Amino acid sequence: AQSVTQLDSQVPVFEEAPVELRCNYSSSVSVYLFWYVQYPNQGLQLLLKYLSGSTLVESINGFEAEFNKSQTSFHLRKPSVHISDTAEYFCAVSGRQAAGNKLTFGGGTRVLVKP
Amino acid sequence: DGGITQSPKYLFRKEGQNVTLSCEQNLNHDAMYWYRQDPGQGLRLIYYSQIVNDFQKGDIAEGYSVSREKKESFPLTVTSAQKNPTAFYLCASRWGANVLTFGAGSRLTVL
Repeated sequence: AQSVTQLDSQVPVFEEAPVELRCNYSSSVSVYLFWYVQYPNQGLQLLLKYLSGSTLVESINGFEAEFNKSQTSFHLRKPSVHISDTAEYFCAVSGRQAAGNKLTFGGGTRVLVKP
Repeated sequence: DGGITQSPKYLFRKEGQNVTLSCEQNLNHDAMYWYRQDPGQGLRLIYYSQIVNDFQKGDIAEGYSVSREKKESFPLTVTSAQKNPTAFYLCASRWGANVLTFGAGSRLTVL
């Protein structure tokens, strides 16, 4: 079994300030980790993923996340946010084994960027 | 463009009625999923299908049914047995190492 905890349900932040969204997971097997973003009344879009290799992964729009195996965390950061980053962000985990291939999602963190 | 199309975007249902949500993909993906989204609860898996003519229950399958007669299509029926069906429903397909591509969602409201 696996689970994901996003520690903050809402994060207000001023434009051009940094933001960090916290994600902790539990799993009995090795994992893949993901961050998805959801804009209002839309589906989710993949923001970035950790599959293997470097523990620091980056997205094309300035977000980055670091896989920390010892702390079972995958926190998402952006050094300077824009108004357009206002959205809900979901952390997700899946086991690496082939059987099942189910993703487990956290409860989401709503980011509100203020001018 | 390849993607997932969900319809209708908004749907209203009277109590006791069954409704079917459509999900079509042209990505040639084998695996497809249905999630339910409620505020503050993230996404919960209803059903998934790894190949045509096969599907498995997810974590909250009670009151729902699915079929997978074609690779491109994975419709979800919300039956009258579902006690609290008002929610946002998301369909997805899987590619690569468990990466999901989502549709735009269908919002169901019970009157």
